Amino acid sequence: RKEVEQDPGPFNVPEGATVAFNCTYSNSASQSFFWYRQDCRKEPKLLMSVYSSGNEDGRFTAQLNRASQYISLLIRDSKLSDSATYLCVVIPDSNYQLIWGAGTKLIIKP
Amino acid sequence: NAGVMQNPRHLVRRRGQEARLRCSPMKGHSHVYWYRQLPEEGLKFMVYLQKENIIDESGMPKERFSAEFPKEGPSILRIQQVVRGDSAAYFCASSPRGNNEQFFGPGTRLTVL
Repeated sequence: RKEVEQDPGPFNVPEGATVAFNCTYSNSASQSFFWYRQDCRKEPKLLMSVYSSGNEDGRFTAQLNRASQYISLLIRDSKLSDSATYLCVVIPDSNYQLIWGAGTKLIIKP
Repeated sequence: NAGVMQNPRHLVRRRGQEARLRCSPMKGHSHVYWYRQLPEEGLKFMVYLQKENIIDESGMPKERFSAEFPKEGPSILRIQQVVRGDSAAYFCASSPRGNNEQFFGPGTRLTVL
């Protein structure tokens, strides 16, 4: 089993819809979690950190489910500009190295 | 505060030549990471460095690849005797601490002819 797993997609979603995807992790002691977004041929950019209590930033909501060992990203009222690959990142307990998922590709269609 | 800088942005080399990629971390960041990304694939960790030290090079091929982060100046990823399979985007990231979110540079796209 991979340390961090994501559905590669692509998710084809009409503009204005709500879309959600998950990322599962294998190390139950993992402490920190992030969502990054990567546009085609660009560098990954930090989208949001994922806190135990969950967090929301505008149309984006991230949640952590420790019992089932996954994090989720919800995008409401999706825009064409949300089309990108969304990367899940996990930092294992007391470890420095970020473990990256392979990413979920999202395509928002007009 | 300038972000992570990488140069060159594009690099073309012929097989057998050397490629030298540079990365200047964000101000105040002493941790640098190098990743490689092949087309349509995810990021692959290569090496993690702090000033003058290699912390983890488990993702870097044992031959032809080397990395350094000197006390002064940028971090350098060096690929000797490049082959076509080295063609990829090479991203550098930096962080203020080891277990913290990372900030990426724009990448260097290496093409080996």
